[in-house]
Amino acid sequence: KQEVTQIPAALSVPEGENLVLNCSFTDSAIYNLQWFRQDPGKGLTSLLLIQSSQREQTSGRLNASLDKSSGRSTLYIAASQPGDSATYLCAGNSGAGSYQLTFGKGTKLSVIP
Amino acid sequence: DAGVTQSPTHLIKTRGQQVTLRCSPKSGHDTVSWYQQALGQGPQFIFQYYEEEERQRGNFPDRFSGHQFPNYSSELNVNALLLGDSALYLCASSLEGQALYEQYFGPGTRLTVT
Repeated sequence: KQEVTQIPAALSVPEGENLVLNCSFTDSAIYNLQWFRQDPGKGLTSLLLIQSSQREQTSGRLNASLDKSSGRSTLYIAASQPGDSATYLCAGNSGAGSYQLTFGKGTKLSVIP
Repeated sequence: DAGVTQSPTHLIKTRGQQVTLRCSPKSGHDTVSWYQQALGQGPQFIFQYYEEEERQRGNFPDRFSGHQFPNYSSELNVNALLLGDSALYLCASSLEGQALYEQYFGPGTRLTVT
């Protein structure tokens, strides 16, 4: 059974800082790993998806990495902005035959102007 | 490009009642999954529908049931509502055969049970 943990639960940084959000998972047979953003009371916006055969993906100021051997993924946000304030969730599934995404509880990010 | 849509946005029900939530997948998608997100928690997988059948289910009781229609839209039904069913219900769609299994989420339906 896949379990996903995100540390820290909350993070506050001044505008302009670079930051890293962490995600760990228990099942190394993970098929893909997705990072999402969620604004208060809203749905999920997909940020990046990393296939099991890949090690990282980049989109603009965001870079996500995946290390299956250590059971870890990180989301790097460069030059943070107040508009980046949200909860960031990572989710993975286990194996090609599993359609279920297992989520962490998220990291609540606050970027202070 | 039409994204995933859900209705209604908010809903208030009384314990013991039944509720139906609706979801239309992203244009071109044929698979729909439902998730329950309690306050302060990550979403929990309820089930997934493909070709009008439930093909995978999470750890939820039989009070939770669903349906997928020929146009790929889906409904989530919850019977005998409990206070603990209060949550944000999220629908996600994907395209079968797409190797990445990337899921796209809708805005959610906020259900409050009193």
